[in-house]
Amino acid sequence: DAGVIQSPRHEVTEMGQEVTLRCKPISGHNSLFWYRQTMMRGLELLIYFNNNVPIDDSGMPEDRFSAKMPNASFSTLKIQPSEPRDSAVYFCASRGAGVSSYNEQFFGPGTRLTVL
Amino acid sequence: GEDVEQSLFLSVREGDSSVINCTYTDSSSTYLYWYKQEPGAGLQLLTYIFSNMDMKQDQRLTVLLNKKDKHLSLRIADTQTGDSAIYFCAESIGWDSNYQLIWGAGTKLIIKP
Repeated sequence: DAGVIQSPRHEVTEMGQEVTLRCKPISGHNSLFWYRQTMMRGLELLIYFNNNVPIDDSGMPEDRFSAKMPNASFSTLKIQPSEPRDSAVYFCASRGAGVSSYNEQFFGPGTRLTVL
Repeated sequence: GEDVEQSLFLSVREGDSSVINCTYTDSSSTYLYWYKQEPGAGLQLLTYIFSNMDMKQDQRLTVLLNKKDKHLSLRIADTQTGDSAIYFCAESIGWDSNYQLIWGAGTKLIIKP
């Protein structure tokens, strides 16, 4: 298995532009998580889905952020409009029901976003 | 609410043992985890411990769990330069579809030659 796939790996954009981050979870996994990592705030859970349904989006910083999971193999995190304070590494992780008894989350390599 | 705390940095000499400590708040956590993040990469599960265990050993790694004090530690024996990374402690909360992890800030392990 290729693991969790994220694209792009790096994104540099200007303030005000729309940014879309993409994630393909591991095949067969039914939970998907979006995280943001910064030096100041560490690792923050933004939103997670179970069977394509958003379960908890309380970590989404504001209305400029939105996430979708149209099917079991694809999810997007969109920022519109982007701001310099959104600069961070965004991770996607997936977890499979019954795959492991200890509920391991598998992380993608991350997308490094820089908003100028 | 739930919280996980760990120190931000630990510096050890190559060959010595490293001990990374973590405290958590949710006494009902089922599993506690240690994840490792190498530079430029995502997090990867290093080891975990079930809440009814006190200790777990896996080669150079020893995890100790003190449920009374809500304290978790990770000991790395014979620390090598390849162990340089950020180590995250996490506790589990919730059940089934609500199962998620609460993360510490991560401890950066620095290896001195």
